[in-house]
Amino acid sequence: SQKIEQNSEALNIQEGKTATLTCNYTNYSPAYLQWYRQDPGRGPVFLLLIRENEKEKRKERLKVTFDTTLKQSLFHITASQPADSATYLCAPTKDGQNFVFGPGTRLSVLP
Amino acid sequence: EAQVTQNPRYLITVTGKKLTVTCSQNMNHEYMSWYRQDPGLGLRQIYYSMNVEVTDKGDVPEGYKVSRKEKRNFPLILESPSPNQTSLYFCASSQSWGQPQHFGDGTRLSIL
Repeated sequence: SQKIEQNSEALNIQEGKTATLTCNYTNYSPAYLQWYRQDPGRGPVFLLLIRENEKEKRKERLKVTFDTTLKQSLFHITASQPADSATYLCAPTKDGQNFVFGPGTRLSVLP
Repeated sequence: EAQVTQNPRYLITVTGKKLTVTCSQNMNHEYMSWYRQDPGLGLRQIYYSMNVEVTDKGDVPEGYKVSRKEKRNFPLILESPSPNQTSLYFCASSQSWGQPQHFGDGTRLSIL
């Protein structure tokens, strides 16, 4: 069955540094991959979507890469700020299948 | 304002007492979905709907029912709630399957 892993349960970095989060998947080939941010007790908020034929996508301080050979997506936040502290969820998505989220990585940006 | 509205936000109830969590979206979205989120288990899909009168099971559908009689509404029904259904529930909608989803603020259910 399909499996999604996100690098670590928690990641601490210093303000101003680049945070890099990893999403690995096995046993399926997603057509695209989505990243969401979730704050405690709140619903996830969509950030970026990248398709299988796209290598990289950017939005302001965010960058996502998608390597279908490695079955991996990397999510980067440059010039990180304490306000970026949240849990980040990836969701590799394949047409016709139910939606599955990864377990999430809790990011803490320390001032 | 584009939004997904869930009610109630909080509910404490007892085993076996039927309950319904409502979900409504004002974006004319075709796709709607219910998730539950539990510590250590993450966000798991319960049921989803591609369009009116079309629903399908997600990963954890046991003990739940849904209906999609109108495009904007997608209620989640627990016919006979049990303590293992104590969880944080989210409703979400998107323009179509696979598109970015908009989530509601969540419903925290406690089944005693």
